[in-house]
Amino acid sequence: AQSVTQLGSHVSVSEGALVLLRCNYSSSVPPYLFWYVQYPNQGLQLLLKYTSAATLVKGINGFEAEFKKSETSFHLTKPSAHMSDAAEYFCAVSDKDSSYKLIFGSGTRLLVRP
Amino acid sequence: EPEVTQTPSHQVTQMGQEVILRCVPISNHLYFYWYRQILGQKVEFLVSFYNNEISEKSEIFDDQFSVERPDGSNFTLKIRSTKLEDSAMYFCASSDTSGGNIQYFGAGTRLSVL
Repeated sequence: AQSVTQLGSHVSVSEGALVLLRCNYSSSVPPYLFWYVQYPNQGLQLLLKYTSAATLVKGINGFEAEFKKSETSFHLTKPSAHMSDAAEYFCAVSDKDSSYKLIFGSGTRLLVRP
Repeated sequence: EPEVTQTPSHQVTQMGQEVILRCVPISNHLYFYWYRQILGQKVEFLVSFYNNEISEKSEIFDDQFSVERPDGSNFTLKIRSTKLEDSAMYFCASSDTSGGNIQYFGAGTRLSVL
């Protein structure tokens, strides 16, 4: 069965600093991986996805993630944090063994200090 | 840009009552999902729906739950007899293909069972 682990329930950075949100996955088959962002009182918005093409994936709002098979990781990064990046971020893997449902990690809340 | 619409945004009900949560997926999408997020916890898969039938359901999706696509546009989640533990944010999602394609999420319905 596939699973996702997000290290760090809360990450705090200063505005302008590097953002690094960690995600490790477990999958018996090549995975489809996603990062979603949830702003307060809103739904889930896709940031980026990996579907076995380029290992470095660029998303919206300056975010990118690198798929590393050897480390079973898909960490999310952004070179320079902005106040508007404060939100909850979810890593997810698509379950190819069934209906391609998304299996989510527990989420990381990003706090951006002025 | 097309979006998934969910109504109501907040539903308050008494324990034991029936509730229906409504979703209008993106019009050309074929795959539909319900997820829920209990406050402070991860997003969990409930059920997937394709070609007018359930393709997969989780252990959470017991006999108290049902889904329906009553017409060409709506996708509903019914809880027959609500319990306190059903209090959560319920998200509807849709995609136009399975696999690595994007699931688009609605803003969610917050269900409060008193």
